[in-house]
Amino acid sequence: EAGVAQSPRYKIIEKRQSVAFWCNPISGHATLYWYQQILGQGPKLLIQFQNNGVVDDSQLPKDRFSAERLKGVDSTLKIQPAKLEDSAVYLCASSQSGGNTGELFFGEGSRLTVL
Amino acid sequence: GDSVTQMEGPVTLSEEAFLTINCTYTATGYPSLFWYVQYPGEGLQLLLKATKADDKGSNKGFEATYRKETTSFHLEKGSVQVSDSAVYFCALSEHYGQNFVFGPGTRLSVLP
Repeated sequence: EAGVAQSPRYKIIEKRQSVAFWCNPISGHATLYWYQQILGQGPKLLIQFQNNGVVDDSQLPKDRFSAERLKGVDSTLKIQPAKLEDSAVYLCASSQSGGNTGELFFGEGSRLTVL
Repeated sequence: GDSVTQMEGPVTLSEEAFLTINCTYTATGYPSLFWYVQYPGEGLQLLLKATKADDKGSNKGFEATYRKETTSFHLEKGSVQVSDSAVYFCALSEHYGQNFVFGPGTRLSVLP
């Protein structure tokens, strides 16, 4: 079974530029999450989708971050314009519908460096 | 809001030593509790879980017991191996499978 796929693995940009990250969840997983993990900290939820609807985006900085999950499958997270403090690893995770098992399956992450 | 506190690392042990990584939580309700592990170069993966008080989660020789009275979920292993070197994250979910909150992680290094 293929795992959660993310790209790109690494991205370096200058502040005020834009960047987009892509995630393809495990086939059949209805719930998709984007987390931000700053060095030395635990993952922080940015947004959670159930199919193509948003369940929770309360911690998403909506003035610069946006995310979509068209057709309820893969998802894109965009940052525009980027700030220095956005340097982090962006993790995508998926789970079965409603997270019945309580288990999230994570991708390897996309590491962003903002200069 | 909900939060998870873990003992600060890094933790360095010799092979076959006993491991404890402390985790305490704050939650308004009755959460499910999890330990996730991140091996070098890999994504986070579930290690074990417990969904109600006094439940013990176990996997790969690791154990953790849900202690509601002390709001704790400490991770233990009787004899660590070099291959256990990783970052360990304690996490909770107020609504089983939803709204995960992660602790800051504890890095474990096991020396041969």
